Amino acid sequence: KQEVTQIPAALSVPEGENLVLNCSFTDSAIYNLQWFRQDPGKGLTSLLLIQSSQREQTSGRLNASLDKSSGRSTLYIAASQPGDSATYLCAVRETSGSRLTFGEGTQLTVNP
Amino acid sequence: NAGVMQNPRHLVRRRGQEARLRCSPMKGHSHVYWYRQLPEEGLKFMVYLQKENIIDESGMPKERFSAEFPKEGPSILRIQQVVRGDSAAYFCASSPLAATDTQYFGPGTRLTVL
Repeated sequence: KQEVTQIPAALSVPEGENLVLNCSFTDSAIYNLQWFRQDPGKGLTSLLLIQSSQREQTSGRLNASLDKSSGRSTLYIAASQPGDSATYLCAVRETSGSRLTFGEGTQLTVNP
Repeated sequence: NAGVMQNPRHLVRRRGQEARLRCSPMKGHSHVYWYRQLPEEGLKFMVYLQKENIIDESGMPKERFSAEFPKEGPSILRIQQVVRGDSAAYFCASSPLAATDTQYFGPGTRLTVL
């Protein structure tokens, strides 16, 4: 059974700092990995999707990496801003099916 | 192109009543997924449907919960005889293809059972 873990559970940083969020998964037989952002009381916004054959994806100040063999992914946020404050969720799609298995998220607060 | 739409956004039910949650996928999407987020917990997969077919319902509770995605109209998640433990945010996602594409999420329905 796939399990996804995110560390840390919460993170508070001053504005402008670069930061890394971590995601690990127990079964390396994944099809892809997706990072989402969730704002309080809102739905999920997809940030980056990495296929299992890829090593990283970039979008603006965000960079996500994937090391499938070790079961790890990181989300790097450069020059953080207060508007980045949200919960960040990592989810894997397994080769065997189309469901997403989510981690419990990292709650990020960027202080002005 | 409108995103995934869910209604109602907030739903209050008393114990024993029925709850019906609706999801309209993005235009051109024929795959729908339902997830549940219990308070202080992560999102958990419930069911995956295509038009008129349930593909994977391994995450659905065995009793009281059912889902459908008819040929016409939205997908419906139905919870019969709700209990307080059903209070959660229910999210719907859609994708045009099953295995390769991003799942696009709706804003969720927040169910409160009194």
